[in-house]
Amino acid sequence: AQKVTQAQTEISVVEKEDVTLDCVYETRDTTYYLFWYKQPPSGELVFLIRRNSFDEQNEISGRYSWNFQKSTSSFNFTITASQVVDSAVYFCALSEARTGNQFYFGTGTSLTVIP
Amino acid sequence: DAMVIQNPRYQVTQFGKPVTLSCSQTLNHNVMYWYQQKSSQAPKLLFHYYDKDFNNEADTPDNFQSRRPNTSFCFLDIRSPGLGDTAMYLCATSRSPTGSSYEQYFGPGTRLTVT
Repeated sequence: AQKVTQAQTEISVVEKEDVTLDCVYETRDTTYYLFWYKQPPSGELVFLIRRNSFDEQNEISGRYSWNFQKSTSSFNFTITASQVVDSAVYFCALSEARTGNQFYFGTGTSLTVIP
Repeated sequence: DAMVIQNPRYQVTQFGKPVTLSCSQTLNHNVMYWYQQKSSQAPKLLFHYYDKDFNNEADTPDNFQSRRPNTSFCFLDIRSPGLGDTAMYLCATSRSPTGSSYEQYFGPGTRLTVT
């Protein structure tokens, strides 16, 4: 069974629009961690955020914000006022405390920001 | 500034000809990972080292081997590459995940083409 689902395969937005990338996860553990990574065309995966299961506070970092809702098992990522440099593939990932080394990646969402 | 370095960035090898990819890190992290990422797919964990302890994923082909001679370096050996091994190979590191799970820092990857 897929532990992390990113239902949006590809999204295109016009520059300056806001965009939300969805991530739904599945786990039976009470302690787990969620991550978002950005993979630009160059290929390197860039770490964006780590959130543990006990911290449901939403987080904002510049134009990026994350909405963690345990009730719906979702950890969505919003980019405000998108820019061309935001064009990339974004991966959501889950790690469970009992198997801390194992990252379960979603299939990724390819975001294209059109100038 | 580079924290996780991979060499070479691009590698072309012939079917059946052994190839070695290298990864080094300046973060002094205990854990090092090797992932395979095929086009438009999520990274797939091949194996990881927790210090010197080697952990192989159950579905990693025997054709793939790894060595970690010291904390800083890790190598991926593909003994007899097949056409299906054409992919991006990503190295990552993280702190010890005992009872927790920390973000992984990725290198820029090696794009391997098997002809």
